[in-house]
Order: sequence, then structure tokens, then C-alpha cells
Amino acid sequence: NAGVTQTPKFRVLKTGQSMTLLCAQDMNHEYMYWYRQDPGMGLRLIHYSVGEGTTAKGEVPDGYNVSRLKKQNFLLGLESAAPSQTSVYFCASSYTMNRDRSRTDTQYFGPGTRLTVL
Amino acid sequence: GQNIDQPTEMTATEGAIVQINCTYQTSGFNGLFWYQQHAGEAPTFLSYNVLDGLEEKGRFSSFLSRSKGYSYLLLKELQMKDSASYLCAVGSNYQLIWGAGTKLIIKP
Repeated sequence: NAGVTQTPKFRVLKTGQSMTLLCAQDMNHEYMYWYRQDPGMGLRLIHYSVGEGTTAKGEVPDGYNVSRLKKQNFLLGLESAAPSQTSVYFCASSYTMNRDRSRTDTQYFGPGTRLTVL
Repeated sequence: GQNIDQPTEMTATEGAIVQINCTYQTSGFNGLFWYQQHAGEAPTFLSYNVLDGLEEKGRFSSFLSRSKGYSYLLLKELQMKDSASYLCAVGSNYQLIWGAGTKLIIKP
């Protein structure tokens, strides 16, 4: 049981290049999230998904696209990278129902991707 | 609007007790979460409060008052490995609304 994994761990891009970050979870979680974390600003939600085939915008979606073709995978794309997108990107997933059928929003995080855009 | 406030930084001594406060104003509420994040690592789940009162888990305890929009995380018998950032978050509409985090520095 690997939990939440992210690839790549590190990446350096030039302005205008594109890339895709991959998140995978093996916990059968319904919900998945992409965050960015910048110094002094906490976690900011980029996009999220409430199930396979669905996505929604978060707090800072501009410049990013996402897809959730399979329940276990959530992809984050940067079509034309900008220096302002230099950040640490975290993926998370959550299980909306406990075994006693009470709801929980506890999120579990991947190790992060450190992206630098020059 | 949605707002979560917590101190930016706190310093404490090894072996002592420290309390990290969090106040919140959110449009919805489905529980209050505390996460720990060591430098360069991902946040990890510490505790969850959905009812008023104190939840104890080993050296860590978390308290919630929904009427006051207030929570605290209490860390006892501090160890050097507790040096980390502590993030307060509120569950709302299947998302978590995050505070900016409190950096806790432990001195010998």
C-alpha cells in the first residue's frame, strides 16, 4: 500500500514549456486535490475532483488544467509554464465515508513535486 | 469570506508544553483538522475535531469550541523532532480551508 505517490519529484522548466504532473493513489479514495505551496502562503487549492471523470476549479486554477480519467489517477498540466508557477505542488486524496458511514474529509498527501520555472 | 488565523511562528523549550491557537470563520463546517509538516516534506494528519471538547492522542491534544470558532493544538513533553509547521484546516463542502501554518521552533 503505497498511499499517494507523485511523479516527478523535481523538475526545472523554461518559460513557455509544458509538463504534466502525475498523482496516483491506491486507497480507493473518491476525492483528489492539487495544491501549490509557496513560502508564507500556506496551501492553495488549484483544482479538485469528486470522482472519476469530474473536475472542478479551486482557488488558483489559472494556468493549470487537470484530468481524472481513472479513479486512482489525477493529472495536473501546465500548458505554458511561467516563473510565477515556481512552487511545490502537492496532491492529496480523501475518503468521504468512514466504515461507520460517518463522513470524513481527512486528506492524505503525496510527497510533493518541486517545480522551478526559469 | 473564509478566514483561518494562526500565529506565524512560536518558540518553545525541549520538554515543555506549547499551545498553538487557531481561529476560523468559514461558510461551512465539517470538522477541524491539524496537520504537521516538517521542512521539505508533505503535511501529515495529526487530529480531527468535529464536536466541542478535547481530543487526546499521546503527547498531542486538540480542542475545539464551535461557538467561538476556536481550536488549539497542545503539545506536551516537547521533543526536538516536534520542530515543524503545524497547519490548521477547516472542512467545508468536501474541501479543506487551510491556515498559513505555525512554525514551531524547539530549543534545547
